[in-house]
Amino acid sequence: TQLLEQSPQFLSIQEGENLTVYCNSSSVFSSLQWYRQEPGEGPVLLVTVVTGGEVKKLKRLTFQFGDARKDSSLHITAAQPGDTGLYLCAGAPAGNNRKLIWGLGTSLAVNP
Amino acid sequence: GAGVSQSPSNKVTEKGKDVELRCDPISGHTALYWYRQSLGQGLEFLIYFQGNSAPDKSGLPSDRFSAERTGGSVSTLTIQRTQQEDSAVYLCASSRGYSTDEQFFGPGTRLTVL
Repeated sequence: TQLLEQSPQFLSIQEGENLTVYCNSSSVFSSLQWYRQEPGEGPVLLVTVVTGGEVKKLKRLTFQFGDARKDSSLHITAAQPGDTGLYLCAGAPAGNNRKLIWGLGTSLAVNP
Repeated sequence: GAGVSQSPSNKVTEKGKDVELRCDPISGHTALYWYRQSLGQGLEFLIYFQGNSAPDKSGLPSDRFSAERTGGSVSTLTIQRTQQEDSAVYLCASSRGYSTDEQFFGPGTRLTVL
C-alpha cells in the first residue's frame, strides 16, 4: 500500500514566522500536487510538481519535489493569517494511471 | 464559470434513515470522485467514476454505501440505515480525465446523524 506521510499534523505560529511542511513516501510519484483547504470549502490546487528536484514559487510559498520524486516540501516565508488552513499533498503513482494518494494534511494556524 | 456543486450543503438525519447526497461536476469532466472528511482531518477516498463506470469502489466503508453516476454527469451517493459514525463532510471532486489530473472540489455536504 502506498502512503504519503505529512508532517507536522498541526502547526500554530505567529504572523511573520517561517514554516515548512513535509510530505514523504517510500514510493516514487510521477507528480505531486499541493492543495489548501479553508474552513467550509473544498481543497483548491496550489501547485503541481513533476520533475525531480523541481522548485516552484507562488508568492511567499516555495514548493520542492525531491530528486528521487519520493518526497516534497512546502515552505512559507513570513506567514500571514490568510495562510491559515489545511494543507494537503497528493501524489500520482508512477506507472499506470491510478488514483491520487492523499496525505492526511497539515492544519496550519497563523495568529495575528 | 460553474464549478462543482453539491447538495444539500447540510443534512441532519436520524440514525437508521437513508440519505442521498448529490454532486454536479464541471461540465465535460469525465472523472468524478467522492471523499469523506472528518473534522479537520485528511480525505478518505470512497469511490471513483470514469464516465458512468466505477473502476474503483475500494473506499466504500460498508454495503450501506452506494453511488451511481448517470449521463456521465450527475452523481448520487446514497447511505442506507445511517449510523452516527457516518457523520462527516462528504466532498465530491471532478477532473478532466485521467485519475491523476488536478481535481476540482465542491464545497461538500455536512452530514450529521443524530
